[in-house]
Amino acid sequence: GAGVSQTPSNKVTEKGKYVELRCDPISGHTALYWYRQSLGQGPEFLIYFQGTGAADDSGLPNDRFFAVRPEGSVSTLKIQRTERGDSAVYLCASSTTRGPYNEQFFGPGTRLTVL
Amino acid sequence: AQSVTQLDSQVPVFEEAPVELRCNYSSSVSVYLFWYVQYPNQGLQLLLKYLSGSTLVKGINGFEAEFNKSQTSFHLRKPSVHISDTAEYFCAVSPYGQNFVFGPGTRLSVLP
Repeated sequence: GAGVSQTPSNKVTEKGKYVELRCDPISGHTALYWYRQSLGQGPEFLIYFQGTGAADDSGLPNDRFFAVRPEGSVSTLKIQRTERGDSAVYLCASSTTRGPYNEQFFGPGTRLTVL
Repeated sequence: AQSVTQLDSQVPVFEEAPVELRCNYSSSVSVYLFWYVQYPNQGLQLLLKYLSGSTLVKGINGFEAEFNKSQTSFHLRKPSVHISDTAEYFCAVSPYGQNFVFGPGTRLSVLP
């Protein structure tokens, strides 16, 4: 079956611009996660959704970052007034529900470059 | 807070040789432990995980890892590597099954 998909695969933008990154989770997965992977580092947790609600947004670095999942499936990560330091690969993952017994399946990521 | 250390950023090894990728963690609470692999231009894939029970865990593609609580380690091993094992490997901990904390990764290069 289809895995987690993310669009676009690459996004180049200018400093100060607004960007949206999309994640399509595996059908039926209620848990959805966003991570950020900077060059040479491991993924860093940003936000977790259970259904439509953001159950844990403790990883969002500041209020320029926001994410939604209005219908409990597709999620969009939104970044306002982008800065060069936002350049990274943004990963999305989904699982049947939260918890270590439920494997998180990762998408291929969106590479964001802020010039 | 939790942290994960992967001391080796790069590990070159010849094909059919054994390999060990080291992972140490720090946590004040109980954690679950994971290894993920990331092939070029692909998403992370779960290799194996330790939740409870036997400290020796077997995963996919012939990999295994051993949880050592006293040394707070979870090293990944494979007795004989293949060219196709070339990838980035990430160790991660999950305190009480909550959000993952990943290590910086180890790039395994298998040489012919």
